[in-house]
Formats: sequence, C-alpha cells, structure tokens
Amino acid sequence: QKEVEQDPGPLSVPEGAIVSLNCTYSNSAFQYFMWYRQYSRKGPELLMYTYSSGNKEDGRFTAQVDKSSKYISLFIRDSQPSDSATYLCAMSAKGSYIPTFGRGTSLIVHP
Amino acid sequence: ETGVTQSPTHLIKTRGQQVTLRCSSQSGHNTVSWYQQALGQGPQFIFQYYREEENGRGNFPPRFSGLQFPNYSSELNVNALELDDSALYLCASSFVGGGPHNEQFFGPGTRLTVL
Repeated sequence: QKEVEQDPGPLSVPEGAIVSLNCTYSNSAFQYFMWYRQYSRKGPELLMYTYSSGNKEDGRFTAQVDKSSKYISLFIRDSQPSDSATYLCAMSAKGSYIPTFGRGTSLIVHP
Repeated sequence: ETGVTQSPTHLIKTRGQQVTLRCSSQSGHNTVSWYQQALGQGPQFIFQYYREEENGRGNFPPRFSGLQFPNYSSELNVNALELDDSALYLCASSFVGGGPHNEQFFGPGTRLTVL
C-alpha cells in the first residue's frame, strides 16, 4: 500500500460543475497537506496548503482535511476549461520539508 | 524575481551513458530538491540540498548524485543510465528557516528519454 493514494482519473466534467478531488493516506504523522496543479509539460505549482484538520478557502478552491479518516479533498467551484490539468496532493510530517506526493488526478473541464 | 529554471528542456541518451541536468533556484532560496516523475505518476523525491550539503535522500541508488553551488544553483547527475530512468526530472527550490512549512517552487522540468 502506498503512503498516499489518489485516483488517476481522468475526471471529465462540464464547465461550471463543482469538482471534488480526493486523496487518502496511511501515515498518521502527516501534518501539512498540499494541493498542486500541473499543466501538461509544466512543473507543479502550489494551489493551497493546510495544516492539520479543517477547511481552507481561496477563491473558487476549498481544501478540506479530515485527519481522523486520513482523507483530504479539494473542491473547485464553477470549474473552467482552464482548470483542466493534473491535480497532485502532497503531504509532509511536522519538521520535514520533503512532501510525499500522490500520483495525481487528471481533470478535464469541457465547454 | 526570477523563478526556477531548468536546462535542458529535453534530452535523449542511450543506456549506459551519463547525464547532467541543471537547475537555477529562485532568488533568495537556500534549498533545492530534485524529483523524478514517471509518466502518470507523482513526483518521487530523489534528494535535497541545503547550503551545499545533502540534506535528505529518497530511495534512489548512488548513481544518482547531485551538487549545490554557492549561488544555490544545482546539478543532478545520473550515471549508467537505464531505460527506467526515462522520466521528467523536476527541480524545486525553497527557503528553509522561515517558518514551520516551506513552500517549494518547481521548475518546468527536464524530460529525459533513455533509449
């Protein structure tokens, strides 16, 4: 079992839909949780990070962490074709500067 | 402020050869990490350099080695290339010491193909 599990998709949705992306993990030491977006042929860029459990909102994006279930989510409201990309979850333990990545979910938002 | 840059963009090598990939960190950053991203997979941590010393290593053999220079630029060297080394190699720079969490900024990557 991998430390971080993420469904590779692809996930195809119509423009304007609410998108839910998820990851599960097994290492209870993880404290920092991150979501990266990676466009084709580009490096990942950090979208959001959260510390411990709870919700965090930034514009159309909301990140949720449920440490009791070892489950994190990223919600995208009013999805746009420009949101089409691979979304990677990543997490690290306190004091560690090295994140462990999921394999990424490919999202396609069609007009 | 310039971002993280990597060179070359693409590279084709044959099995058994050696390769050097280069990374220029974002201004003000003191740490560089290297990752290998195979097709359809997430980035896998290779190693990290902090102030020119290796500061952590993932599950990669010794033929993967690196350097960080005083200007915080970095190199990744891979000897005795194998077909499975074909991947996107990502460099990420960050500033360690500014708080409990350091954001990593990734470069665009170097796509290595081993034939």
